[in-house]
Amino acid sequence: QVRLQESGPGLVKPSETLSLTCTVSGGSISDSNYYWGWVRQPPGKGLAWIGTINYGGATDYNPSLKSRLTISMDTSQNQFSLSVTSVTAADTAVYYCARWGSPSYWGQGIRVNVSS
Amino acid sequence: QLMVTQSPSASASLGASVTLTCTLSSGHSSYAITWHQQQPEKGPRFLMKLDSDGSHTRGAGIPDRFSGSSSGAERYLIISSLQSEDEADYYCQTWDSFIRVFGGGTKLTVL
Repeated sequence: QVRLQESGPGLVKPSETLSLTCTVSGGSISDSNYYWGWVRQPPGKGLAWIGTINYGGATDYNPSLKSRLTISMDTSQNQFSLSVTSVTAADTAVYYCARWGSPSYWGQGIRVNVSS
Repeated sequence: QLMVTQSPSASASLGASVTLTCTLSSGHSSYAITWHQQQPEKGPRFLMKLDSDGSHTRGAGIPDRFSGSSSGAERYLIISSLQSEDEADYYCQTWDSFIRVFGGGTKLTVL
């Protein structure tokens, strides 16, 4: 069974950088059959795709966030990470990591609040 | 532009069946989608991948009460023998080489 677990701070100050890590167990992030990515859900709203990384480290980003995003991977730790710079209150959301493929898997989510 | 559209809400009675619809944008009728369920106060759960020919692959542990079908640009999630725990938000998602998009979700109420 593949499991994904998000970790990182639950509170980030405005203008600072939000950094999250997703630790994967039960499967390798080097598996070429799958993509790995991040999704967020602002309070009371729907799911929004943030970005994706593949087994070789190639990334795709949501155009509306691209200038502030970095997604990277550490195959030795079987982890991938998200960095969002210059955060504002609009970045307050539950952040999920996920494996895209058939089947897909989701992490349980981590709530991040941007506030001073 | 790649998009998927869902109705905001649906309702059906306990024990009945319901069909939720996800519509692909013009020019994208051959695209596969995935369906995901989000129960109240929980994270999303993968239900199935649904191809343009209607073939679908359910996730681990997803009962066969959940099935999918396709017609043109429409992708359907059919839930039979509705149970109270099926009351949830349902999201479809599609993708191409560079982006992934979610629909706005359908809130299903079980009466």
